[in-house]
Amino acid sequence: GDSVTQMEGPVTLSEEAFLTINCTYTATGYPSLFWYVQYPGEGLQLLLKATKADDKGSNKGFEATYRKETTSFHLEKGSVQVSDSAVYFCALGIQGAQKLVFGQGTRLTINP
Amino acid sequence: EPEVTQTPSHQVTQMGQEVILRCVPISNHLYFYWYRQILGQKVEFLVSFYNNEISEKSEIFDDQFSVERPDGSNFTLKIRSTKLEDSAMYFCASRIRQGARETQYFGPGTRLLVL
Repeated sequence: GDSVTQMEGPVTLSEEAFLTINCTYTATGYPSLFWYVQYPGEGLQLLLKATKADDKGSNKGFEATYRKETTSFHLEKGSVQVSDSAVYFCALGIQGAQKLVFGQGTRLTINP
Repeated sequence: EPEVTQTPSHQVTQMGQEVILRCVPISNHLYFYWYRQILGQKVEFLVSFYNNEISEKSEIFDDQFSVERPDGSNFTLKIRSTKLEDSAMYFCASRIRQGARETQYFGPGTRLLVL
């Protein structure tokens, strides 16, 4: 079945460090891929998305490239800030299905 | 910016009681969803709703669950007889169009605790 696997958390970094959160997927067909972020006490917010192979989604300094050959959609940011501390969820959407399939989430903490 | 809202933010209930979780989707959206996240686990799809009927549901969404759009703005999830294992964060989401490329917009969630 369709599934998403994210790197285990929690991840703790210092401010201005480089961030990578790995995400790989298994899907039938051609999924769309999403990163959602959940800040403390808030709901899930779309961070970025990519809808076809080799597309790059970007927002707020975060980037992720849809790699069909490695079935991956890793999240990266060149220089993290304390305000990036949150839980990050990778998700996929399958054409013809209603639901999103989520990874387990990765908690990120950035220390000043 | 329009957003999905949910009430209450927290609810505590006794096992066997009925609970209704409420959501107000974004006003021009046509597709509505409920998901849940048990503490420490993945966000799981429960049900999708379009044109006043369920369009897809998961194995979790058994006869104890129901959804309704009682008026033009609210979208509710009812759990008829809560169990301890229903304790979770429940998220409502909506989107304007069908299609895997379309973004689902989520509310802040309702944290349900069943004692």
